[in-house]
Amino acid sequence: GEDVEQSLFLSVREGDSSVINCTYTDSSSTYLYWYKQEPGAGLQLLTYIFSNMDMKQDQRLTVLLNKKDKHLSLRIADTQTGDSAIYFCAENARSDGQNFVFGPGTRLSVLP
Amino acid sequence: DVKVTQSSRYLVKRTGEKVFLECVQDMDHENMFWYRQDPGLGLRLIYFSYDVKMKEKGDIPEGYSVSREKKERFSLILESASTNQTSMYLCASLLGTEAFFGQGTRLTVV
Repeated sequence: GEDVEQSLFLSVREGDSSVINCTYTDSSSTYLYWYKQEPGAGLQLLTYIFSNMDMKQDQRLTVLLNKKDKHLSLRIADTQTGDSAIYFCAENARSDGQNFVFGPGTRLSVLP
Repeated sequence: DVKVTQSSRYLVKRTGEKVFLECVQDMDHENMFWYRQDPGLGLRLIYFSYDVKMKEKGDIPEGYSVSREKKERFSLILESASTNQTSMYLCASLLGTEAFFGQGTRLTVV
């Protein structure tokens, strides 16, 4: 079945760039997502990318997609303490949305 | 803004109790989901529903059931709670390809 992998932890210094990586297995994935979960809260959609795109930029966030290697990354420029959270990569292979598969989440810690 | 509301943020229940987790969305979405979130495992799908009275098993349905009597409400039921069901439970509803999540219910079974 589908599988989404992420490293579990990442620490960066405030002001540096963060890069969170994700690999997935379902080559038919149509949409790939990054969700953010702050402590005690639900998941908030950060950004998503269509599988026919290579890159998407949204202010401090840059998403890169390598379809050949099934690799997705999220880069956060000028990381701030408010970016400390768990970041989930997710894929959705069905157009009816009934098959979200989430990675285990990467806990980003931003050090002062 | 889409709002997905889970009835409780924190719950403590005893082993063997019947537990109801309620989720309400205010945007007339057809698809609703229940996930559980455990450290290092990410979100795992328990059940989803694509219409009133319709339900489908997800990846880990054992020990759970669901009810969707009205479009806006999707309930997760633990028929007889066990300690291995201690977890964070997240409800979501779907608009197009975007999932909107509730704030989560942290359930502890003692």
